[in-house]
Amino acid sequence: SAVISQKPSRDICQRGTSLTIQCQVDSQVTMMFWYRQQPGQSLTLIATANQGSEATYESGFVIDKFPISRPNLTFSTLTVSNMSPEDSSIYLCSVDGGGGRNYGYTFGSGTRLTVV
Amino acid sequence: GEDVEQSLFLSVREGDSSVINCTYTDSSSTYLYWYKQEPGAGLQLLTYIFSNMDMKQDQRLTVLLNKKDKHLSLRIADTQTGDSAIYFCAESLRDSSYKLIFGSGTRLLVRP
Repeated sequence: SAVISQKPSRDICQRGTSLTIQCQVDSQVTMMFWYRQQPGQSLTLIATANQGSEATYESGFVIDKFPISRPNLTFSTLTVSNMSPEDSSIYLCSVDGGGGRNYGYTFGSGTRLTVV
Repeated sequence: GEDVEQSLFLSVREGDSSVINCTYTDSSSTYLYWYKQEPGAGLQLLTYIFSNMDMKQDQRLTVLLNKKDKHLSLRIADTQTGDSAIYFCAESLRDSSYKLIFGSGTRLLVRP
């Protein structure tokens, strides 16, 4: 299955600033997903990023707040813009395991963000 | 609508079996997954089951699916302290989005 490197692993940021999270995959994948896990909560999908097209955002998430880049089949970034303490969460990228739903989805180790 | 529910907490003694339960509402689910999250770590895929199966066994793990009741369970045999973690069930819908809908997670505590 694919191996994901996600950076940074954690960060503490000032409110009003922005943080860009990187997700690097060791193989080419069509679909990449960005999830948010708020403290003590489950995972919620932010958006789906396909190479060569605009990201598709879930209800409650907008491009101005969470711009996403997908320049090639192995890399994606998620930016958390104009941060507030409510953005403190773990952000995770995910890709399909190489066979789509048949093999499950692989997750990065996550970025633990604290906004102060 | 899409909704996946789990009990929040389970405590077992080392060596016993653990059973973590999950219910889902969307009958169009195609695959159902179990993920494990250890403290400070990402999600690790444990196992998955296709919706036309009733059971899947993988070493110490047994997944049971009751499609009629929309009930999924994960049984861990001979539970070890290293199994202490949060376990999430997730469903993949029969649509083109490929997104996963996650349950709230069950925190498993294994007592020595």
